[in-house]
Amino acid sequence: QSVLIQPPSASGAPGQRVTISCSGSSSNIGSNTISWYQQVPGTAPKLLIYFNNQRPSGVPDRFSGSKSGTSASLAISGLQSEDEADYYCAAWDDSLNGWVFGGGTKLTVL
Amino acid sequence: EVQLVESGGGMIQPGGSLRLSCAASGFLVGNSYMTWVRQAPGKGLEWVSILYGGGRTSYADSVKGQFTISRDNSKNTLYLQMNNLRPEDTAVYYCARFQGGLNAFDIWGQGTMVTVSS
Repeated sequence: QSVLIQPPSASGAPGQRVTISCSGSSSNIGSNTISWYQQVPGTAPKLLIYFNNQRPSGVPDRFSGSKSGTSASLAISGLQSEDEADYYCAAWDDSLNGWVFGGGTKLTVL
Repeated sequence: EVQLVESGGGMIQPGGSLRLSCAASGFLVGNSYMTWVRQAPGKGLEWVSILYGGGRTSYADSVKGQFTISRDNSKNTLYLQMNNLRPEDTAVYYCARFQGGLNAFDIWGQGTMVTVSS
């Protein structure tokens, strides 16, 4: 059981908007910033969002992040087939003194 | 080009030891915060360890006392010494740079597979 809770799966048709949630606690999301990673099966994770809602250069603005209290969300608009991947949230946990990841959400583009 | 390349994985019997290497290019390991993250087959990501620029280290409870993170600045390489390996340590091991300015892992290697089995 992961410290950060994500739905195991999400799906949407091309062009649609999907959101992926990440639920934590006061010791992680509630007191630290969150980052999101995209992992195409068989490849390494890639940084998608940092500081809750900032995109590294090269990440399309179709990807956006938000945080409220002890929860965070990743939104993907204008879904494309290339967005089909696993998505993970991550944050520092003050109680565990380490980084924690969500269990991952498998996104299927229908 | 900024890049991380892991090596050293393989199949090892329970109780054995293995040392993973992560060669960096395009930046200096000694000036960076470097981490190891693992992923068991079909499972999610699990943070393993971090080596801060000043040399301080931190480990996940699951590997504390079993794994040791270190670096060789002359080789610009990060290491993970893994001892007394157990079947549950079977995973792809990724090294990643933690960018403090982003509070995120911004550069990842391609990973190296470690299989602990008799």
